[in-house]
Amino acid sequence: GNSVTQMEGPVTLSEEAFLTINCTYTATGYPSLFWYVQYPGEGLQLLLKATKADDKGSNKGFEATYRKETTSFHLEKGSVQVSDSAVYFCALLPNTGNQFYFGTGTSLTVIP
Amino acid sequence: NAGVTQTPKFQVLKTGQSMTLQCAQDMNHNSMYWYRQDPGMGLRLIYYSASEGTTDKGEVPNGYNVSRLNKREFSLRLESAAPSQTSVYFCASSEGGFFYEQYFGPGTRLTVT
Repeated sequence: GNSVTQMEGPVTLSEEAFLTINCTYTATGYPSLFWYVQYPGEGLQLLLKATKADDKGSNKGFEATYRKETTSFHLEKGSVQVSDSAVYFCALLPNTGNQFYFGTGTSLTVIP
Repeated sequence: NAGVTQTPKFQVLKTGQSMTLQCAQDMNHNSMYWYRQDPGMGLRLIYYSASEGTTDKGEVPNGYNVSRLNKREFSLRLESAAPSQTSVYFCASSEGGFFYEQYFGPGTRLTVT
């Protein structure tokens, strides 16, 4: 079946620290992979995506590489800001395109 | 552009009561979705509407009904609320199906006592 496993939170970092949020997946076929971000009091927003193996998605300084050999899509940012405080969700869309599978979310707090 | 709007923002119901959650989008999107978000779990799809006039069940449809009133509006109805339906409900829309970026509303926090 299809599923997504994210690292447990919450994560607390100081401003300008390096961020990694781990995400691994199980899927049949060749899914597309996504990171969504949810800021306090808001709905989810697409942060980045990758549609095939070895693709790198990037946006707002965040990056994630689709690694088929390790079934992973880890989110990274070199220098976090207070404004990056949010909940981050990894998600998978099977190549059948009929439903998203979301991870449980990782809460990030960045302190000045 | 307001994007995706949801009403109400908060609601408390007693077990057995009914209510309708409203969702509207102003982006001329064809597809609309209802998700629920529970602590320790990712979002789960309740129902979706690929286009005006069609609706399909998602992963957790039991206890819910939906209506795609027109291209803009997609409502979610709880006929007889249960405590297990306590959750945050998100509506989303996309240009055409799951392969397109989904735009989410701010959510409705529902508590059933």
